[in-house]
Amino acid sequence: RKEVEQDPGPFNVPEGATVAFNCTYSNSASQSFFWYRQDCRKEPKLLMSVYSSGNEDGRFTAQLNRASQYISLLIRDSKLSDSATYLCAVNMGTGGSYIPTFGRGTSLIVHP
Amino acid sequence: NAGVTQTPKFRVLKTGQSMTLLCAQDMNHEYMYWYRQDPGMGLRLIHYSVGEGTTAKGEVPDGYNVSRLKKQNFLLGLESAAPSQTSVYFCASSYKGGGAANTEAFFGQGTRLTVV
Repeated sequence: RKEVEQDPGPFNVPEGATVAFNCTYSNSASQSFFWYRQDCRKEPKLLMSVYSSGNEDGRFTAQLNRASQYISLLIRDSKLSDSATYLCAVNMGTGGSYIPTFGRGTSLIVHP
Repeated sequence: NAGVTQTPKFRVLKTGQSMTLLCAQDMNHEYMYWYRQDPGMGLRLIHYSVGEGTTAKGEVPDGYNVSRLKKQNFLLGLESAAPSQTSVYFCASSYKGGGAANTEAFFGQGTRLTVV
């Protein structure tokens, strides 16, 4: 069982739809949570950090639930350009350091 | 500002050959990482380093070695390549981890390695 779990999808949605992804993590001592976006054959790039109180960046909203050990990403008013793979990342404690551990990624396809 | 640079970007190796992948970052980051990405498997950590002169094993270290002689460079070596090491390799770096929010990882563009 991976330490960070994501539904791989694909999520196939029409333009303008709202879509939500969840990600669960196993290490309760985890610090720092992120969502990355990865386009086909490209490197992952930070989409947004996830703060304890939840945070929003335009059409994107991220939330953290420490008690249930999951993070979520909500995308409103989906655009064609949102089509990509979304990776959640958790900085997990190991030997006194916090190392980014990634989920397998969730594929999003936005169609006209 | 180059960020994280990986070389080479593509390589084809024969089984048994050796090679070194180079990662360089110009952001003065303490932490550096090597991941491999395979279809359906996501990013898996091979080795990482929390500072110059230090390295540690990740989730899938077998068949790889690393060195961090200078803070800005992190080298990944394959001593005897195997077809199972065909993958896309990503190097990343970050500031020192912990509770701070500014510990995102910055990635290089990746190295596509094929072992035949």
